[in-house]
Amino acid sequence: DTGVSQDPRHKITKRGQNVTFRCDPISEHNRLYWYRQTLGQGPEFLTYFQNEAQLEKSRLLSDRFSAERPKGSFSTLEIQRTEQGDSAMYLCASSLVGGGRYEQYFGPGTRLTVT
Amino acid sequence: AQTVTQSQPEMSVQEAETVTLSCTYDTSENNYYLFWYKQPPSRQMILVIRQEAYKQQNATENRFSVNFQKAAKSFSLKISDSQLGDTAMYFCAFMKHDGARSYKYIFGTGTRLKVLA
Repeated sequence: DTGVSQDPRHKITKRGQNVTFRCDPISEHNRLYWYRQTLGQGPEFLTYFQNEAQLEKSRLLSDRFSAERPKGSFSTLEIQRTEQGDSAMYLCASSLVGGGRYEQYFGPGTRLTVT
Repeated sequence: AQTVTQSQPEMSVQEAETVTLSCTYDTSENNYYLFWYKQPPSRQMILVIRQEAYKQQNATENRFSVNFQKAAKSFSLKISDSQLGDTAMYFCAFMKHDGARSYKYIFGTGTRLKVLA
């Protein structure tokens, strides 16, 4: 169990550019979540997957955001035409549904700065 | 919609002393979990403790324990024998669930705890 990993850890981009983040969950986990955390705030839910199916998307996830989990393993989060308001920490978490345990395990996050 | 409120933005405690962080939540759900997570500076979030709403007994994990008051919708975290390594941001989180289905977390805004030597 190597934990949840995210890549890159930091990304600086210019406004209007596209960015893509990757998350590798704990290998046996079937649920994968994306959250966004801004300074001084708790994480806010963006979307989650059960295996490869995207089951819920937040209203925070505008049309410029898209997430995939093509084979039910790693996931990508893409932001198109970035805006300064997209600057935040993007957190990925995974969990194993069933067995009476529902806690999520978080990755280190990708810090996005849009200039 | 569920909400989670942490009314203490910052707290400090002397090493070896006890501190309690407060959390209240609002929900009409009957089946849910509550969690406390710790986020050390520049490090990832770690689960501290969890509580199932249907259990009346308060959860404990070593120096960490909760006071779960379901009727009052209160879920406080007590840290005993505080250590310097407990310095972190602490988040309270709510998750409703329905049998085998689990749902997203709703987080509070966090409490920044500093343990003083």
